[in-house]
Amino acid sequence: DSGVTQTPKHLITATGQRVTLRCSPRSGDLSVYWYQQSLDQGLQFLIQYYNGEERAKGNILERFSAQQFPDLHSELNLSSLELGDSALYFCASSVRDEQFFGPGTRLTVL
Amino acid sequence: DAKTTQPTSMDCAEGRAANLPCNHSTISGNEYVYWYRQIHSQGPQYIIHGLKNNETNEMASLIITEDRKSSTLILPHATLRDTAVYYCIVRVEAGNMLTFGGGTRLMVKP
Repeated sequence: DSGVTQTPKHLITATGQRVTLRCSPRSGDLSVYWYQQSLDQGLQFLIQYYNGEERAKGNILERFSAQQFPDLHSELNLSSLELGDSALYFCASSVRDEQFFGPGTRLTVL
Repeated sequence: DAKTTQPTSMDCAEGRAANLPCNHSTISGNEYVYWYRQIHSQGPQYIIHGLKNNETNEMASLIITEDRKSSTLILPHATLRDTAVYYCIVRVEAGNMLTFGGGTRLMVKP
């Protein structure tokens, strides 16, 4: 158990819909990262927040957005969903050298 | 961050040492070598990291060549639970996102 929690575990939705994925970092970790893992693209970094502020952006689509709240939990919002958005979405938090990953949310878009 | 090259897959007999190589010939002087693994769609797990000296922890040993252009992750006594995809990642500093390549799929066989 990494100490990072993600909800929900599984999400099935239809094309065009909007969903929100939630991440609670380990206690005391200020950085939160979001990654997407699809079959054809592998593990890709999406976005990082540090203490409520966006710090780095990766291959995140404009239809996706994220935020980190004062209690340090983070949400990843995915809108206008397409079939290709079906993937595992991981959240990680870090202190110093090590990133701790949550169990992921498996999103299926039908 | 420097690019890494790893074999696509490897097999190892249970109880034997697993030696996973990684080439990072364009590594810069201030870049660290990190190893993570992912067991069947679980969140990636940190294993070890180093700059130029060899490192050992309870999970594995990391051997970095003197010119730093390659490294080897050693699992001293592989078990079936070590079957996973192992990622070698090179990055400048902690606190940055991780850039995952294809990794090495290690299969530990009885």
